[in-house]
Amino acid sequence: NAGVTQTPKFRVLKTGQSMTLLCAQDMNHEYMYWYRQDPGMGLRLIHYSVGEGTTAKGEVPDGYNVSRLKKQNFLLGLESAAPSQTSVYFCASSQTGGGVGVLTFGAGSRLTVL
Amino acid sequence: GENVEQHPSTLSVQEGDSAVIKCTYSDSASNYFPWYKQELGKGPQLIIDIRSNVGEKKDQRIAVTLNKTAKHFSLHITETQPEDSAVYFCAARGMEYGNKLVFGAGTILRVKS
Repeated sequence: NAGVTQTPKFRVLKTGQSMTLLCAQDMNHEYMYWYRQDPGMGLRLIHYSVGEGTTAKGEVPDGYNVSRLKKQNFLLGLESAAPSQTSVYFCASSQTGGGVGVLTFGAGSRLTVL
Repeated sequence: GENVEQHPSTLSVQEGDSAVIKCTYSDSASNYFPWYKQELGKGPQLIIDIRSNVGEKKDQRIAVTLNKTAKHFSLHITETQPEDSAVYFCAARGMEYGNKLVFGAGTILRVKS
């Protein structure tokens, strides 16, 4: 049982380039989330999805887009990367929403924007 | 919206000693408070949680206490071991963003052997 898998694990981009982070879960969870982790700021919610075909904005959504075309996948896109988007990105999923459902996190994707 | 403050940012203890991490939250309507442990190179993992109708919860060497009046909750680790070294995050379920979790900034715990 793989749980939550994120690809790629590491990526270096130049300012203005675009990229997509892929998150896949095999637990049949309804809810999926994208967080970013920055030193001294904890985990901040970027976007989330409450089911296939749905997305919603979190705390820091600017500069990111997401899609949930299939229940098991949640994609995070950066259309024009900026140095401020240098961070570690974590995907998570849960069976139910909010704090009631236990979040299962992936191992993270470290993104550097030069 | 919900705001969660976590202290201290770093904590060093000797193996066998106790460690305490404290968090305060701002939204009095918050009713769920989990703690996550993040080991180096891994994603956070839930270690214990507490709901607002409970004052304390224990699981072997870890415990969480909640003071709703003061709006703070704490993680207690007794008889610390080197494998307890990690980053610990508290969180509270806020009313914004569809009742999603709001995390504290994290505490780096180092257990010295």
